[in-house]
Amino acid sequence: KAGVTQTPRYLIKTRGQQVTLSCSPISGHRSVSWYQQTPGQGLQFLFEYFSETQRNKGNFPGRFSGRQFSNSRSEMNVSTLELGDSALYLCASSGGGISSYNEQFFGPGTRLTVL
Amino acid sequence: KNEVEQSPQNLTAQEGEFITINCSYSVGISALHWLQQHPGGGIVSLFMLSSGKKKHGRLIATINIQEKHSSLHITASHPRDSAVYICAVGEHDMRFGAGTRLTVKP
Repeated sequence: KAGVTQTPRYLIKTRGQQVTLSCSPISGHRSVSWYQQTPGQGLQFLFEYFSETQRNKGNFPGRFSGRQFSNSRSEMNVSTLELGDSALYLCASSGGGISSYNEQFFGPGTRLTVL
Repeated sequence: KNEVEQSPQNLTAQEGEFITINCSYSVGISALHWLQQHPGGGIVSLFMLSSGKKKHGRLIATINIQEKHSSLHITASHPRDSAVYICAVGEHDMRFGAGTRLTVKP
């Protein structure tokens, strides 16, 4: 089974621009969660999508948004980029079997640099 | 105070040593996770626990729900175990500890 994939792996943007990151979950998984990792704040939960609906949301401003498609692939968008948005963005998928339904499988991440 | 506290922050061990990393949390949880992150960023889920103890190879994870405490043990540590180990609580909306950076020297 293919793992979680994220594209692009690296991205450089300038302040004020917007960016879209993509995550393809493991086949059969219906939940996709997004996380931000920075040296200062560590790992923080952004939001979770399940069956095309946002089910949970972390404490991030409205500039951060996401969506999920019918094939469970998910995108997250950050508008009006700020220097502080430079981070590793990770997605994780779950939902594949009864005994490990909620175990999360992480993608390799997208490293975003905002200049 | 963070919801999830880990100790120690940094740990250096000699190959073969027994290692323990601790995690305390302050909220009610349905699951606790131990994650491993290598340089470069990739995160691997080691364990998901809701009670008791789990073992996988040289790794053992325990959780005490009443005391809101979990431990990750590594027996016979090896340099390839060098990584950051992260404790997290929750299911699809994980909250994370700051991580423990483990270095195992040959």
